[in-house]
Amino acid sequence: LAKTTQPISMDSYEGQEVNITCSHNNIATNDYITWYQQFPSQGPRFIIQGYKTKVTNEVASLFIPADRKSSTLSLPRVSLSDTAVYYCLVGGRNNNDMRFGAGTRLTVKP
Amino acid sequence: NAGVTQTPKFRILKIGQSMTLQCTQDMNHNYMYWYRQDPGMGLKLIYYSVGAGITDKGEVPNGYNVSRSTTEDFPLRLELAAPSQTSVYFCASTGVGTENYEQYFGPGTRLTVT
Repeated sequence: LAKTTQPISMDSYEGQEVNITCSHNNIATNDYITWYQQFPSQGPRFIIQGYKTKVTNEVASLFIPADRKSSTLSLPRVSLSDTAVYYCLVGGRNNNDMRFGAGTRLTVKP
Repeated sequence: NAGVTQTPKFRILKIGQSMTLQCTQDMNHNYMYWYRQDPGMGLKLIYYSVGAGITDKGEVPNGYNVSRSTTEDFPLRLELAAPSQTSVYFCASTGVGTENYEQYFGPGTRLTVT
C-alpha cells in the first residue's frame, strides 16, 4: 500500500492561493492520486484526481512531477468556506487499497 | 438521485448490544465501502464490496460483518458492541459511470457505545 505524508495543518487568508503537498514515495505504476475535502460532521467530498502532469477543474489544480513521488493540490483564492480537512490518497481506481491518512487541516482566516 | 443514504443518523448502544447500520445507494454503483472515523483522525476502511454477493475485509474488520445481497444495499452489522467501536461510520459508493471512480459518501452514522 502506498503511504502518504501531508502536513498536519496549514493556515491561510482569504484570497490567497493555497498549495498542499503530499509525499507518496512508493507509489505504484497503476496508482492514481486523489484528493478529498471534508467539512465537520460530513463525509468526504471528491476534489480532483490525476495520474501525471497537471489536472485542473473548476475548484482546484493538481500538479504531479514526472517521478510521481509527490503531488500538490492548489486551491486558488481561498475563502472562509474552504476551511476543511484535505486528504491525499494513492491507489487503484477501485479504491479498496486506498488509505485515508490524518489529512491536512486548512484554516482560512479573514 | 438521493445518492448514498445512511440510517440511523445517531445511535447509543450499551456494551454487548447488536445493531445494523443501513446504507443504500441509488446510483447503480458496483463498489461500496464502509469506513469509520474516530475524532481527529482519518477514515479507516472496514469492509468493501465490488458487487452483489462479493465482500472483502478492509483495514479494520474485527467486530463487524457485512453482506451485499443487492447492488443498492450494503448493511454493516455490529454483533457485540464495545466502547472501542464508538465512532462515526461512513458508507460510500463508486463505480462505472463515474468519471474518476470517485467515492460518494453518505452523511454518516454517529455511534456511541457505553
